[in-house]
Amino acid sequence: GAGVSQTPSNKVTEKGKYVELRCDPISGHTALYWYRQSLGQGPEFLIYFQGTGAADDSGLPNDRFFAVRPEGSVSTLKIQRTERGDSAVYLCASSLDYRGNGYTFGSGTRLTVV
Amino acid sequence: DAKTTQPPSMDCAEGRAANLPCNHSTISGNEYVYWYRQIHSQGPQYIIHGLKNNETNEMASLIITEDRKSSTLILPHATLRDTAVYYCIVSPQGGSEKLVFGKGTKLTVNP
Repeated sequence: GAGVSQTPSNKVTEKGKYVELRCDPISGHTALYWYRQSLGQGPEFLIYFQGTGAADDSGLPNDRFFAVRPEGSVSTLKIQRTERGDSAVYLCASSLDYRGNGYTFGSGTRLTVV
Repeated sequence: DAKTTQPPSMDCAEGRAANLPCNHSTISGNEYVYWYRQIHSQGPQYIIHGLKNNETNEMASLIITEDRKSSTLILPHATLRDTAVYYCIVSPQGGSEKLVFGKGTKLTVNP
């Protein structure tokens, strides 16, 4: 597709459950990023992939959060034992390795933990 | 933490120029100034970036002071669709550095 696609657009889950959020980057973009955005705040970096490997996962808040990108395109963000504080919009972005014109962001997945 | 400081909100009349300021007094020599905006319920959208020279594209102009400690994003003829949160970010270009967002400036364009 022409843009970054994120699914689902909305996810409601119960506290303690496991969730997976999917990101389809722009074809050919080798760099992929996950961000989290809470209400009234700017996006907060979680993890960055270059190809299949996580080049920087310093933003993951704890070991309940994990992300994969096994074939260097689609990525999945996985959250175990969800907590109410995990409620946020999870944004994915991709870019060419040379970030001349910046990232392209998806519209995000709104996660609500009840 | 974000390395930039922006006013939390601004208003602009439709059809007039919107001038959004940003302070980045600790910017390093290899860091560029990037501007993104986020319209409600959408992901951030890239607008423009620059190092030290002024830049212009179809969306906006970027004016960077000679000492590079501040910049201004200019929307020459603001429309209602330009209502959004505008983020000023400093980051090295090339490679794939993560972007560190602050809270941005909420620009409201009024009819």
